[in-house]
Amino acid sequence: DQQVKQNSPSLSVQEGRISILNCDYTNSMFDYFLWYKKYPAEGPTFLISISSIKDKNEDGRFTVFLNKSAKHLSLHIVPSQPGDSAVYFCAASGFWGAQKLVFGQGTRLTINP
Amino acid sequence: NAGVTQTPKFQVLKTGQSMTLQCAQDMNHEYMSWYRQDPGMGLRLIHYSVGAGITDQGEVPNGYNVSRSTTEDFPLRLLSAAPSQTSVYFCASSPTSFGTDTQYFGPGTRLTVL
Repeated sequence: DQQVKQNSPSLSVQEGRISILNCDYTNSMFDYFLWYKKYPAEGPTFLISISSIKDKNEDGRFTVFLNKSAKHLSLHIVPSQPGDSAVYFCAASGFWGAQKLVFGQGTRLTINP
Repeated sequence: NAGVTQTPKFQVLKTGQSMTLQCAQDMNHEYMSWYRQDPGMGLRLIHYSVGAGITDQGEVPNGYNVSRSTTEDFPLRLLSAAPSQTSVYFCASSPTSFGTDTQYFGPGTRLTVL
């Protein structure tokens, strides 16, 4: 039972345009959501997070939106750059332990010049 | 700081063999954890530790043992390797187990069990 789902295995975007990565979750007890970025042969690195009490969080070119009623979050990257090409993982945690993350399957983002 | 280090980077085992995946962090973090990444399934939590001497099971603990004798080290032991344990293993650490501390991941160990 996949509690966190990223239904798009891959996404291709032109450099300079907006990249939108989506994530859905099923467990209403999740209260903290994160995005991690992963390059080949490296471990995931933290990108941005959002608490369930917010609906938006921005950090430079990266914005995460949370729609609790739809159990959906998205990551917007504007403008997209070639260095953004990586696999992006959505993750969630709940009251049972903020560090016990449940990950989605990942979306491979490719930025084309 | 070296951050989170993992050894070896690659390992091939035969079914039934045992081995230990090493993980160390030099950031004095209380919390450490092990995840495995399989194609199409994201990362899944195997075991975690909230401090030296304290460990607990995650989502997929069967076939793995851990111990935490020091703050720095958190080795993962495969007792009798099986092909289903072929995966990429990531160790992570964070300052505490509370709140929203960022988890820092190591570079991973790619394990193949024949």
